[in-house]
Amino acid sequence: SQTIHQWPATLVQPVGSPLSLECTVEGTSNPNLYWYRQAAGRGLQLLFYSVGIGQISSEVPQNLSASRPQDRQFILSSKKLLLSDSGFYLCAWSWDRTNTGELFFGEGSRLTVL
Amino acid sequence: GQQVMQIPQYQHVQEGEDFTTYCNSSTTLSNIQWYKQRPGGHPVFLIQLVKSGEVKKQKRLTFQFGEAKKNSSLHITATQTTDVGTYFCAGAGGATNKLIFGTGTLLAVQP
Repeated sequence: SQTIHQWPATLVQPVGSPLSLECTVEGTSNPNLYWYRQAAGRGLQLLFYSVGIGQISSEVPQNLSASRPQDRQFILSSKKLLLSDSGFYLCAWSWDRTNTGELFFGEGSRLTVL
Repeated sequence: GQQVMQIPQYQHVQEGEDFTTYCNSSTTLSNIQWYKQRPGGHPVFLIQLVKSGEVKKQKRLTFQFGEAKKNSSLHITATQTTDVGTYFCAGAGGATNKLIFGTGTLLAVQP
């Protein structure tokens, strides 16, 4: 069966510090991978998606970047965090190549920027 | 761009009462999905609807896709405390045909 792991689960970072969130998927190959952000009490905003190694599409201009160094690894990074980067970050994967299929989410990483 | 709105934003019910959340899109959708997110948890896929007028049931949950494929609803019969959480719809459509999440409805169930 397929599983998705995301870490760290919680982190508190000062403004201006770097960020690295990691996500790995097991039990499948060549999945579509996604990073979403959820502000407190809000919906899910798509940040990045990837259809393969080294292929990243950015949905929203921002202070963040994503990379996919391996087929089942997806990393969200920032060189200098802003207060507005606080939120709940969710990694997800999908079989569907059209970006419209069922999503399987990781458990999320809760980021607080102080 | 495409927008997906949900109403209500919040609903508080007594256990045993019914609950309905509505999802409306500004554009015609190719499909609609529903997810449930428990407090402090991550969204979990519930169902996908594709056909105009489609109705699907999962035990006490009934999902509908509108005839015009621009709206959808989720109805829960006789709510239980385990139904607590935020219900999101997500629709694919518009020029980009990418999945857009609705704003969510937070359901609270009082025992």
